[in-house]
Amino acid sequence: QVQLVQSGAEVKKPGSSVKVSCKTSRDTFNTYAISWVRQAPGQGLEWMGGVIPIYRRANYARKFQGKLKINTDESTSTAYMELSSLSSEDTAIYYCAREGSGGYIDFWGQGTLVTVSS
Amino acid sequence: DIVMTQSPDSLAVSLGETATINCKSSQNLLYGAINKNSLAWYQQKPGQPPKLLIYWASTRDSGVPDRFSGSGSGTDFSLTISSLQAEDVAVYYCQQYFRTPYTFGQGTKLEI
Repeated sequence: QVQLVQSGAEVKKPGSSVKVSCKTSRDTFNTYAISWVRQAPGQGLEWMGGVIPIYRRANYARKFQGKLKINTDESTSTAYMELSSLSSEDTAIYYCAREGSGGYIDFWGQGTLVTVSS
Repeated sequence: DIVMTQSPDSLAVSLGETATINCKSSQNLLYGAINKNSLAWYQQKPGQPPKLLIYWASTRDSGVPDRFSGSGSGTDFSLTISSLQAEDVAVYYCQQYFRTPYTFGQGTKLEI
């Protein structure tokens, strides 16, 4: 059974950063790309970026370049998403997800709620 | 970026009837090397992450009932849900994975 287990909810001040983790199995980590997708309250889905863990190569949506960093830890089969310069507009549920062959997302983490509030 | 536009934004259908959701892409999603369209459909219920229903425009994911079917090619796609059941109430999204940034439609809310 494929599992992606994310870290817990966060409350952050405007201007600060947040780091969310996504622990996977070794098989997922070594074989598949991991995407990060967010969903603002009551809104749709937004792809932020992704990483191929074995190559440590990340790809970011233009909107998030300079603000988002995705990296991985091979020793724990964990991917991380760090978002900086937070504003209220970054309040959202953040999902990590496994990309199947080609880029569709076949498994999702449970989501991590990040609330940005002063 | 490739823009995905779904229609309608919301849809009310009676139990047992058929619902059709449309998705239009601003660019051709046909991946010529394998002659497949890079288009997926997801179902999202409140408080849950999305669930993959269809990929390559028409391939049902494992365990997805055959009431769900996908069709289309190029820039125009559809998700059809036949014999609608109460459990199908959800928001449905299309997504292109032809090119990054991957992009989603705005979602279609399906109600009974």
